[in-house]
Amino acid sequence: RKEVEQDPGPFNVPEGATVAFNCTYSNSASQSFFWYRQDCRKEPKLLMSVYSSGNEDGRFTAQLNRASQYISLLIRDSKLSDSATYLCVVGYNFNKFYFGSGTKLNVKP
Amino acid sequence: GAVVSQHPSRVICKSGTSVKIECRSLDFQATTMFWYRQFPKQSLMLMATSNEGSKATYEQGVEKDKFLINHASLTLSTLTVTSAHPEDSSFYICSARDEGAVYEQYFGPGTRLTVT
Repeated sequence: RKEVEQDPGPFNVPEGATVAFNCTYSNSASQSFFWYRQDCRKEPKLLMSVYSSGNEDGRFTAQLNRASQYISLLIRDSKLSDSATYLCVVGYNFNKFYFGSGTKLNVKP
Repeated sequence: GAVVSQHPSRVICKSGTSVKIECRSLDFQATTMFWYRQFPKQSLMLMATSNEGSKATYEQGVEKDKFLINHASLTLSTLTVTSAHPEDSSFYICSARDEGAVYEQYFGPGTRLTVT
């Protein structure tokens, strides 16, 4: 079983739409959770950390559900520039970070 | 923000040769750096954790004699792919952890290795 699982997509949405991604993780001892964004052939860039209380950064909202072992990312008012692959990352013991396979988002005009 | 550089960004080498990739943290000290590999249309796979002043910790299935890691200073880790073969062609990305923010890691721009 994979450490982190994501729906690969692609999610094709029009500009202005709201889109949500989910990610599940297998190890209940996981300590840290992140969403990264990766553009084609580039390195991943941290989008936001995910906390149990949830967090919001502009149009982006992330939630963590420890009981069900999933994290989510909600993007409101999608922009063309949001088109990318979104990677769910789960960390253990400070020293291990496991990446999901990524969810591809295409925002169309 | 924290900046991590990698060199080279792209390398093409012949089968059987060795390639060294450098990863540097430019504005912070990183006792821990990570090496990942990403094949096309796949996610990043952790290869090894590089610890300054000690031996690297390799993930299961990663050959430590083939992928040599040296973390000689708080700002530099190197990955040497020895006797490279075409199946080693991949995108290699390093990341570094800022000790002031232990849960986060900052990624280098990656090195695209092509073995012919």
